[in-house]
Amino acid sequence: EAGVVQSPRYKIIEKKQPVAFWCNPISGHNTLYWYLQNLGQGPELLIRYENEEAVDDSQLPKDRFSAERLKGVDSTLKIQPAELGDSAVYLCASSLGWGNTDTQYFGPGTRLTVL
Amino acid sequence: QKEVEQNSGPLSVPEGAIASLNCTYSDRGSQSFFWYRQYSGKSPELIMSIYSNGDKEDGRFTAQLNKASQYVSLLIRDSQPSDSATYLCAVRNTGNQFYFGTGTSLTVIP
Repeated sequence: EAGVVQSPRYKIIEKKQPVAFWCNPISGHNTLYWYLQNLGQGPELLIRYENEEAVDDSQLPKDRFSAERLKGVDSTLKIQPAELGDSAVYLCASSLGWGNTDTQYFGPGTRLTVL
Repeated sequence: QKEVEQNSGPLSVPEGAIASLNCTYSDRGSQSFFWYRQYSGKSPELIMSIYSNGDKEDGRFTAQLNKASQYVSLLIRDSQPSDSATYLCAVRNTGNQFYFGTGTSLTVIP
């Protein structure tokens, strides 16, 4: 079974430019998560989707970040405009979305460098 | 108070020794607990999950949960150099939100 797929794996942009990340979750997983991970820190949730609905976006900086999951499968996270402080790894994870044993599985991540 | 707290380390153990990693959490009603391993430059990989008080063993790994003390630990027996990584503790709280600790860096010395 394929795991969580993310692209691109690496992205280097200049500040004020836009950037987009794409995620394809594990087949059958209803819940999709976008995390940001800075060096030496644990993942921090940006947004959580249950099917098409964003159920937790309280930590998403909405002035510059946006996300969508139109058909309840793939998702895109966008930053516009990017700032120097956005340099980090952006992780996508997915889970079945139900039951006490619900477990997240991570994609390989996208390493963003803003110059 | 952070939702999940871990000692950042670094923790160094000799090859063959037992490595002990600890984690505390703040939401007393949390029901699901996870340990992820993250190699440098890689994404987190699930190694253990635990839901009930007590011990859960999987090969060289043992997860321990004490809900009364709000404490989760991971023991790695017969530590190998390939176990050198950052270990992340994650907790799903009563609001169905996942929180991660900052991770403990483990180095196993040959």
